[in-house]
Amino acid sequence: ETGVTQSPTHLIKTRGQQVTLRCSSQSGHNTVSWYQQALGQGPQFIFQYYREEENGRGNFPPRFSGLQFPNYSSELNVNALELDDSALYLCASTRGAANEQFFGPGTRLTVL
Amino acid sequence: GQNIDQPTEMTATEGAIVQINCTYQTSGFNGLFWYQQHAGEAPTFLSYNVLDGLEEKGRFSSFLSRSKGYSYLLLKELQMKDSASYLCAPLYNFNKFYFGSGTKLNVKP
Repeated sequence: ETGVTQSPTHLIKTRGQQVTLRCSSQSGHNTVSWYQQALGQGPQFIFQYYREEENGRGNFPPRFSGLQFPNYSSELNVNALELDDSALYLCASTRGAANEQFFGPGTRLTVL
Repeated sequence: GQNIDQPTEMTATEGAIVQINCTYQTSGFNGLFWYQQHAGEAPTFLSYNVLDGLEEKGRFSSFLSRSKGYSYLLLKELQMKDSASYLCAPLYNFNKFYFGSGTKLNVKP
């Protein structure tokens, strides 16, 4: 158990819709990163939040956005869903930006 | 991203030793993590190298050469439960983790 939780576990949406995924980090972990993992691939870095501000971003379009809250929870929002957005979405929290990451169990998103 | 290269799949026998190599781009590099991921589960931390050399942690060891952009994960006394994907994850600019595609390790009796 990493102490990081994500909701929902599974989600089915249709193309063009919007989705919000949630993550609750360990207490005291002020950094959260979000990843997209397609089947058979490694996680792809979406962005990182540190003390409620975006601290780094991977090669994802602006329709992927996020929020981090003072209570160590965070959200990943994806607008205008595309079929290729179907993947496992992982959040990972750390105490500080460059330390061991603790991953949540992930949210499996299917876009039809 | 960051030209991370690791073998796609490896097979080894229970009780043996296996080495999983990883190469990566060195510009902006800060350190390298190795993670284990069983099918359908989230990655779990194995090791972290910042300086050149070997870090040993039980049956698992990890090596780093910063100048060569090279790391390896060494697994000794393989057990069936070690069958999983192993992810090489270099850290860049202190705020970006990039993962390789992973090496699927099959441990056979």
